[in-house]
Amino acid sequence: GQQVQQSPASLVLQEGENAELQCNFSTSLNSMQWFYQRPGGSLVSLFYNPSGTKQSGRLTSTTVIKERRSSLHISSSQTTDSGTYLCAMATGYQNFYFGKGTSLTVIP
Amino acid sequence: EAAVTQSPRNKVAVTGGKVTLSCNQTNNHNNMYWYRQDTGHGLRLIHYSYGAGSTEKGDIPDGYKASRPSQENFSLILELATPSQTSVYFCASGDWGVEDTQYFGPGTRLLVL
Repeated sequence: GQQVQQSPASLVLQEGENAELQCNFSTSLNSMQWFYQRPGGSLVSLFYNPSGTKQSGRLTSTTVIKERRSSLHISSSQTTDSGTYLCAMATGYQNFYFGKGTSLTVIP
Repeated sequence: EAAVTQSPRNKVAVTGGKVTLSCNQTNNHNNMYWYRQDTGHGLRLIHYSYGAGSTEKGDIPDGYKASRPSQENFSLILELATPSQTSVYFCASGDWGVEDTQYFGPGTRLLVL
């Protein structure tokens, strides 16, 4: 089956530090998305990024198709960044496969 | 911004009972999805639909049925609920096109006693 591996599983940062979250895929993909999930909450789309680099504020997503990986970089972390970050990929026009997520805690 | 709503938001059911979870989207998306989220498993796809009248099995369809009576509505049905179906259920909608994205509802917390 499809394999989506996220690392690290959890991460604790001091406010102001940077974070690098990784997502690796076992197969080639044609679609890729990063989500943020608040504790006990729903998923909010951060990036649709099947290839290349995209930036939004302090967040940068980079997907390298031939290496089957995507990363999410958070710069100057804030306590409000705490939550779970999920990546999801699709290989065809059917459905997405999700990683288990990275739980991020930013302490003041 | 896409709008996906779910009802109920919380549900307590008894083992063997019937449970229906409802999802509504106002974005005119063709595709709709039902996931469950459990600690250690992440999000897993139960059923999905390409449009009104269609339902497809996802990765873990056993014990669940789905119904898509209209473009806007997609229901998940547990005919005989079991405690193992205690979970948080998310509905999502989306389309394949310029951006293959999914928009999620707020989730339904189901407890089966």
